[in-house]
Amino acid sequence: NAGVTQTPKFQVLKTGQSMTLQCAQDMNHEYMSWYRQDPGMGLRLIHYSVGAGITDQGEVPNGYNVSRSTTEDFPLRLLSAAPSQTSVYFCATKPVGVFSGANVLTFGAGSRLTVL
Amino acid sequence: QKEVEQDPGPLSVPEGAIVSLNCTYSNSAFQYFMWYRQYSRKGPELLMYTYSSGNKEDGRFTAQVDKSSKYISLFIRDSQPSDSATYLCAMSAMNTDKLIFGTGTRLQVFP
Repeated sequence: NAGVTQTPKFQVLKTGQSMTLQCAQDMNHEYMSWYRQDPGMGLRLIHYSVGAGITDQGEVPNGYNVSRSTTEDFPLRLLSAAPSQTSVYFCATKPVGVFSGANVLTFGAGSRLTVL
Repeated sequence: QKEVEQDPGPLSVPEGAIVSLNCTYSNSAFQYFMWYRQYSRKGPELLMYTYSSGNKEDGRFTAQVDKSSKYISLFIRDSQPSDSATYLCAMSAMNTDKLIFGTGTRLQVFP
């Protein structure tokens, strides 16, 4: 039982390059989300999904794209990387249902991205 | 003004001290209150969770919610060097997936 697995752990990009951060979970959680964490800004929601085929924008979606074709996977795509996207990215999941209001998230270990 | 305010610290205390970590918030609709602990270069992990007002105790940790003052606290008794981490408060209203995080308080417990 691996929980939430993020790859890669570290990545350096040049401005304008594209890449995909991977998130996989084995807990059968319907809800999956991507956050970025920046000093002094806390965790900010980028995109989220409440099930396969359903995605929605969070607080800071610009420059990022997501899709959800399976319950297990929720990749985050950077279309044209910018230095402002230098951050630590976390994937977080939770079940949807009776306890969904509690919003108790399970986080991955993070992906540290630097854009030069 | 941010919905959730949290002092970033760092807070440095000797081993064995009682630690008080706090958050204030502005949205009276918040009903669920959580504390996450985040070790350096790791993901946040849930430490405590409370619903509405009151106290909740788990070992050396006590979470307290005062909805009338829009103020939540996390107390750590007999603090240990292993408690050194960043503590994030988080909260949400009923029937929403939206979770609002504080910026985190960095705690250092020295031997």
